[in-house]
Amino acid sequence: DAGVTQSPTHLIKTRGQQVTLRCSPKSGHDTVSWYQQALGQGPQFIFQYYEEEERQRGNFPDRFSGHQFPNYSSELNVNALLLGDSALYLCASSSPRDYRGSTDTQYFGPGTRLTVL
Amino acid sequence: AQKITQTQPGMFVQEKEAVTLDCTYDTSDPSYGLFWYKQPSSGEMIFLIYQGSYDQQNATEGRYSLNFQKARKSANLVISASQLGDSAMYFCAMRETTGANSKLTFGKGITLSVRP
Repeated sequence: DAGVTQSPTHLIKTRGQQVTLRCSPKSGHDTVSWYQQALGQGPQFIFQYYEEEERQRGNFPDRFSGHQFPNYSSELNVNALLLGDSALYLCASSSPRDYRGSTDTQYFGPGTRLTVL
Repeated sequence: AQKITQTQPGMFVQEKEAVTLDCTYDTSDPSYGLFWYKQPSSGEMIFLIYQGSYDQQNATEGRYSLNFQKARKSANLVISASQLGDSAMYFCAMRETTGANSKLTFGKGITLSVRP
């Protein structure tokens, strides 16, 4: 049973550039959430995708956008990169059908570490 | 607004001993879920345990148990028989369960170091 996968593992960009991060959910999951984790902090919710639509969004500017594909995989795009965008970006997948004693438990991927110079 | 508080400084525990990691939360929602995740230095967030606000019993998963005190709004994680591999950051998180909202709100985390 494949878990959540993310690519790339590491990425270095310069200010003003654009970046695309990718996520494949755990088998059987249809909901993808993205989080940003700055060094020494807890993850912050960016947005969540379900049925190819953004269902919920955190307090992030429009420079952060996303997409979900029919196979439930997802992309996170960040435009006009700032130094403050340097962080670990975590993708999590879930499914209302994954009842494992609870509903909608989110399972995380290994993350993409983005460095903006 | 939801809030998760983890105020302990770095925690140290001797191998094979038990340790409690504290978490308090604040919400006005009657229905919510509480989670604990482990994050090793590799970065991946590993799901450990879940407690629903209406669950009558404290959750347990192997060596992990959750001491849920609803009136005090606390959800402390207890790790029994600590192992060296338990050294990591531990995050408490809450999810409101009203409507379609299911985002997780995380605390700042606690660093646990297990001594041999």
